[in-house]
Amino acid sequence: GAGVSQTPSNKVTEKGKYVELRCDPISGHTALYWYRQSLGQGPEFLIYFQGTGAADDSGLPNDRFFAVRPEGSVSTLKIQRTERGDSAVYLCASSRGRHTGELFFGEGSRLTVL
Amino acid sequence: GESVGLHLPTLSVQEGDNSIINCAYSNSASDYFIWYKQESGKGPQFIIDIRSNMDKRQGQRVTVLLNKTVKHLSLQIAATQPGDSAVYFCAENANYGGSQGNLIFGKGTKLSVKP
Repeated sequence: GAGVSQTPSNKVTEKGKYVELRCDPISGHTALYWYRQSLGQGPEFLIYFQGTGAADDSGLPNDRFFAVRPEGSVSTLKIQRTERGDSAVYLCASSRGRHTGELFFGEGSRLTVL
Repeated sequence: GESVGLHLPTLSVQEGDNSIINCAYSNSASDYFIWYKQESGKGPQFIIDIRSNMDKRQGQRVTVLLNKTVKHLSLQIAATQPGDSAVYFCAENANYGGSQGNLIFGKGTKLSVKP
């Protein structure tokens, strides 16, 4: 597709369950980002990949959160033992490289933890 | 802590008027600033960016002004249209040597355009 694709668009889960959120970036974009956006707030940086490696994971809130990008394209954000406070929209973005703040965002995956 | 903030949470303007959205930042080390627009149910969309060695940059119908002395950023939209209705975020980067996509976003200003 032409833009960043995220699946699922909505995910409802129970507290304690495991969740995976998928991001398919724009073809050719080497940089990939995950952000989290709570209601009424701006996006909050979680992790950045350059190619296959996580170059900056300083925004991950704790060790329940993990992300991979094994082939340098699609990325998966994994959340273990979900908590109600994890409820948010998880946004994925890609860009041409690390020297620009022009990020192309997907529409997000809305996670609700009951 | 240091973060990007906004002066006004909501702004209502008449169609055809100019809009000015303000943003204050507190991290004097930030050297790169970006404005994003977010429509309901969608991801943020890049509008324009500016680096700290500039004080003004113009795009199509938009102008960003940077005042480093008072740590203030503004976005001016000329001839505001109904399609401009959205939440506008300013974002900053101070990630030397790292990625310029590692951004700190403010809380946003909701712009409503009255026909």
